[in-house]
Amino acid sequence: DMKVTQMPRYLIKRMGENVLLECGQDMSHETMYWYRQDPGLGLQLIYISYDVDSNSEGDIPKGYRVSRKKREHFSLILDSAKTNQTSVYFCASSSGHNNQAPLFGEGTRLSVL
Amino acid sequence: QQQVRQSPQSLTVWEGETAILNCSYEDSTFDYFPWYWQFPRESPALLIAIRPVSNKKEDGRFTIFFNKREKKLSLHITDSQPGDSATYFCAARRNSNNRIFFGDGTQLVVKP
Repeated sequence: DMKVTQMPRYLIKRMGENVLLECGQDMSHETMYWYRQDPGLGLQLIYISYDVDSNSEGDIPKGYRVSRKKREHFSLILDSAKTNQTSVYFCASSSGHNNQAPLFGEGTRLSVL
Repeated sequence: QQQVRQSPQSLTVWEGETAILNCSYEDSTFDYFPWYWQFPRESPALLIAIRPVSNKKEDGRFTIFFNKREKKLSLHITDSQPGDSATYFCAARRNSNNRIFFGDGTQLVVKP
């Protein structure tokens, strides 16, 4: 079953706390993405990963880091979260070999108070 | 510089009418153009996609028209239904690094 799974779905944190968002996929896709979406706006790319330990910054990487130690798993880490990082975070994955549109997870709604 | 632009920002049509959503892009190396739709509190889902080798892609009531020379494309939704009410995102893929760029979306409302 082709699926991108994100955990947790909802998260409330206090400013300054560390945040870990997890994403998994069962399709052995090489490429994985982290986006954030703010109300009324499009999707902004935070990081892209081309495979294990092969990560590149997107358009808004400041304040975030990522980890990909297994092909099926891609984590987004916020060290010392800030209130302006309150957002909906989407993970997506796609195969690099075909012209394939990324498949999105259900999202994580993060509130930083 | 925004790589993908969409217009209008919002669009309201009556049930049965044709909705036309516009998209333009900057980078001539983009090689794949998916359209996503997103319902409130859900994630974006692939609706239809086109490659530059074609100038038209049809899937039921949804049709993409593509003009490579002008770097423009449009999504036509014929016989619009209230259930089509959603935000539609045009996206473009850069082949060299597999990055996907999204427009800011068009919010479509179909009134019954």
